[in-house]
This record gives sequence, C-alpha cells and structure tokens, in this order.
Amino acid sequence: GAVVSQHPSWVICKSGTSVKIECRSLDFQATTMFWYRQFPKQSLMLMATSNEGSKATYEQGVEKDKFLINHASLTLSTLTVTSAHPEDSSFYICSARSSGRAGETQYFGPGTRLLVL
Amino acid sequence: GESVGLHLPTLSVQEGDNSIINCAYSNSASDYFIWYKQESGKGPQFIIDIRSNMDKRQGQRVTVLLNKTVKHLSLQIAATQPGDSAVYFCAEKGGGKLIFGQGTELSVKP
Repeated sequence: GAVVSQHPSWVICKSGTSVKIECRSLDFQATTMFWYRQFPKQSLMLMATSNEGSKATYEQGVEKDKFLINHASLTLSTLTVTSAHPEDSSFYICSARSSGRAGETQYFGPGTRLLVL
Repeated sequence: GESVGLHLPTLSVQEGDNSIINCAYSNSASDYFIWYKQESGKGPQFIIDIRSNMDKRQGQRVTVLLNKTVKHLSLQIAATQPGDSAVYFCAEKGGGKLIFGQGTELSVKP
C-alpha cells in the first residue's frame, strides 16, 4: 500500500520560533497534498490543499502567512508554522493523493505532534 | 475551517458483539464516503469506502451503509475485538476535498 511519512513525529519549541514539518509520499507521486490539524478529542480539520508547483489553497479561517505550505515536488510538501504560539500546539497530519491511481484514495501520514511552550 | 470540532461521543461494546457507528454528513452533493480508524497518536487508517451510487458495501468484518435521503452513513463492525478500540471518523468528499465528521470513540470491553 501507499506510504506517507512525516518528519518530525513530534517537536517542542519555544514561543515565537518557526517549525517546519515535512510530508513525503514514499512510493507514489502525489499531485495533491492536504494538511490537517487535530486538537485533542476533536476531529481532523482541513487547513489547506496544495498542488505540486502551485500555491496552496487555504480553508476559511486559516492564516496563510502563519502556516506556510510548499509543495515543490511530487513527493514532498512542507508546512511551516511561523512565530508559533502555545495555541498552535496540536497534532498536524498530512495526506497525499496519487495521480497515478484511481484518484480517490487519500493516504495519511502518521502525524506530527507540536508543543509550543 | 469546515467540520468544526466537537468532543467525541463514545460507544462501549462487549468483545464479540457487533458495533454500529453512525455519522451524519453535511453536503448532499458529496459523492464519495470513507470510514477511517484512528488509534491514539497515529494518523487515520482507511477502513472502507462507498460511492454515492451504492447503499451498501461489505468488507472483512465491516459493512458501510449509506442513506442519501437523510444524509446518513453507518459503519458496522462484526464480532468486535479489543484491537478495534479506536476513534472512527466518517469523511465525505466534495469539491475535491475530504471533510471529516466529528468521530466516535469505540471502546471494547474484554
């Protein structure tokens, strides 16, 4: 099956610093990647959709200048949380959709837990 | 964003019993639905999917039912096992995006 990895799996940072999270599709090419955020005991909330080589599309209420998304290749997307604050502490999950398969299935990464002190 | 989070409802079942997890979706134009299982600290894991032109689909120990009239989706797990304990999310696809429902926490008692 298709594998999506995320790095790091967890990160602790000081308030005001920036954190970069990587999402990679390991055995397929992903034309579209998605970033979700999940708070404890809550559902996954879609933050943005990124297509390779173009600007990401952000969901309503998500600050694009705070959550920078880059999808420079068909196997890598990055999410940078800029000037992180404690309220940004969350579980960030990426998902990738293949261009070569049926086109419906999204494969999810294992998530990155961010704690901002 | 969409799918504003709410605290998860819980379902507790005895090992060996059947479990039914329900989900109401929001967009009548959604044409594809998926059930995911999420264990603590992990990403969602695909369980089963169904397209809007079907009303039932079966997998191994799992069945998904779709009622488009009332925009309702259910997941049935037969002979529930302790390893099935997790949070289960339904997701609907519309406009190229996958939107998650609120989720249900399933607890299986041995």
